[in-house]
Amino acid sequence: GAVVSQHPSRVICKSGTSVKIECRSLDFQATTMFWYRQFPKQSLMLMATSNEGSKATYEQGVEKDKFLINHASLTLSTLTVTSAHPEDSSFYICSATATNTGELFFGEGSRLTVL
Amino acid sequence: GENVEQHPSTLSVQEGDSAVIKCTYSDSASNYFPWYKQELGKRPQLIIDIRSNVGEKKDQRIAVTLNKTAKHFSLHITETQPEDSAVYFCAASFVAGTALIFGKGTTLSVSS
Repeated sequence: GAVVSQHPSRVICKSGTSVKIECRSLDFQATTMFWYRQFPKQSLMLMATSNEGSKATYEQGVEKDKFLINHASLTLSTLTVTSAHPEDSSFYICSATATNTGELFFGEGSRLTVL
Repeated sequence: GENVEQHPSTLSVQEGDSAVIKCTYSDSASNYFPWYKQELGKRPQLIIDIRSNVGEKKDQRIAVTLNKTAKHFSLHITETQPEDSAVYFCAASFVAGTALIFGKGTTLSVSS
């Protein structure tokens, strides 16, 4: 089946540094990818919709300058958490829509811990 | 925008019993309603979905019902097993493949 890979799966960083998370569709093209954030014991909250070749669309309350999203190719979207702080510690999950079938697939998630 | 409410937040059943989780949504334009099972630290796994042109769908022990008029849909798990224990999320979107709005989740515990 179709696979969406996220990297890294876990990252620990110091407060004030920036962290980049990659989301790749391994065997299909994805015009659209979505980024979610999930705090412990909470639901998945949509952060932004990433469209290949254009600017991401952010949900209300999500700071676009803090969470930089780039979708430069049909198989890769990146989320950069800039100047990370402990409150940014969370599980970040991407999902990708297969362009040809419309099916949605989730990545494995990336656990960010900011010290 | 869309808002999805999910109840109950926790559900404990005995092995072999049935479990029912209910969700309501606010946007009448939503047409796609998937259910996901998520184990701790893992990605959500799609277990069943339903589209607005269908009222009920069944896959072995799992069934989903949809009432578009009332804007609610439910997940039914029969003959529950301990391995069904997980967090279950309902979600809604305009069409399959577009952004999903999730409910808050239900922690299902099945005791043997």
